[in-house]
Amino acid sequence: AQTVTQSQPEMSVQEAETVTLSCTYDTSESNYYLFWYKQPPSRQMILVIRQEAYKQQNATENRFSVNFQKAAKSFSLKISDSQLGDTAMYFCAFMTWSNFGNEKLTFGTGTRLTIIP
Amino acid sequence: EAQVTQNPRYLITVTGKKLTVTCSQNMNHEYMSWYRQDPGLGLRQIYYSMNVEVTDKGDVPEGYKVSRKEKRNFPLILESPSPNQTSLYFCASSSGGGLDEQYFGPGTRLTVT
Repeated sequence: AQTVTQSQPEMSVQEAETVTLSCTYDTSESNYYLFWYKQPPSRQMILVIRQEAYKQQNATENRFSVNFQKAAKSFSLKISDSQLGDTAMYFCAFMTWSNFGNEKLTFGTGTRLTIIP
Repeated sequence: EAQVTQNPRYLITVTGKKLTVTCSQNMNHEYMSWYRQDPGLGLRQIYYSMNVEVTDKGDVPEGYKVSRKEKRNFPLILESPSPNQTSLYFCASSSGGGLDEQYFGPGTRLTVT
């Protein structure tokens, strides 16, 4: 069974600073995808960034980037120049699929990030 | 606009009273699934569907039913709700292929008293 661990239940950072959210996962699969989702107070799940496990290059999306360490099974999210709108719950998620094609996302327990003005 | 809709957004009900949460997507996606979100547990998959008339259990299917009679709709049915089904529910859809983004609905907050 796959598991995703987010060891930081809460974090806070001053606006404009950089913050890194940690995520580790456990799997015996060799092909999988990793995601970070953002859930603001509106509760909407918003995809922030995704990474294919077979790609060594770390994904980046504007101010968001990841540090993917496949051997260590680590997938951290870095937010640069943090903004008030980044305040949200962040979920790390892992996807593989069974022989029956279930594209199940396995989520971590989340990190509540607060950006302080 | 590409979207996944859920109804109702909020529901308070009593133990044992059957209810249905609807989910509809307008993107012609084949894959749909339901998750529940509970504090400290993240999101967990309840059921999924790979296409019309093809459904299967996820990690926490007890107490739930689903159906997929049309490609766009994937309702979640609670035949006899219990207080431990109080949760935030999300429907999601994607076209498949792994890296393709899963689109989430806005969520349904269910309270069972």
